[in-house]
Amino acid sequence: QLQLQESGPGLVKPSETLSLTCTVSGDSFTRSSYYWGWIRQPPGKGLEWLGSVYYTGTTYYNPSLNGRLTVSVDRSKNQFSLKLASVTAADTAIYYCVRPLGGLFPKLWFDPWGQGIQVIVSS
Amino acid sequence: DIQMTQSPSSLSASVGDGVTITCRASQNINRDLNWYQQKPGKAPKFLISGASSLQTGVPSRFSGTGAGTDFTLTISNLQPDDYGIYYCQQSSTFPLTFGGGTQVEI
Repeated sequence: QLQLQESGPGLVKPSETLSLTCTVSGDSFTRSSYYWGWIRQPPGKGLEWLGSVYYTGTTYYNPSLNGRLTVSVDRSKNQFSLKLASVTAADTAIYYCVRPLGGLFPKLWFDPWGQGIQVIVSS
Repeated sequence: DIQMTQSPSSLSASVGDGVTITCRASQNINRDLNWYQQKPGKAPKFLISGASSLQTGVPSRFSGTGAGTDFTLTISNLQPDDYGIYYCQQSSTFPLTFGGGTQVEI
């Protein structure tokens, strides 16, 4: 059974870059999905899709992030990562790594999800 | 962006009741609509894809209908474990977007 686990710092200073890693286990990284992605949830709020990466390296980012997001894959480590630049308090959220399923982008849903990692942006 | 509007924002029902949650898209999304359940402190759990296709293992008391702009998630014979916040998500157009959620209290 595929499992995803987020890791990274829980506290990031304003204007710095948030870096998170998702480690995939329980199935072949390359066989289990063509896509990988990230979703976040601000405190007490709903869900926001951030971005997804295709196995070819093609990336899809939410325009709301204004070019601050980079998602990449490291197959040798069964991991994919998120880098969000120039963070502000508005980036405070629980960040989930996800496996998108379905067809070609954007025909995707998300299953499974990692347990989530709380990230606070504060000086 | 396609806006997804859920109603009601919250509801309370009893064990054995049937409940319906509505999700409306700001434009036609065909049947590209998915549903999730989130319990407090947990990650969302995928329930339904393509408006009506139940994920393996999801109880048959859950059902989804709709097409175009209007969709519903129905839970029949509500069980104690069905509490949580339910979210819809459109997979028709970039960027992918979610509804604001409907909190179900038992």
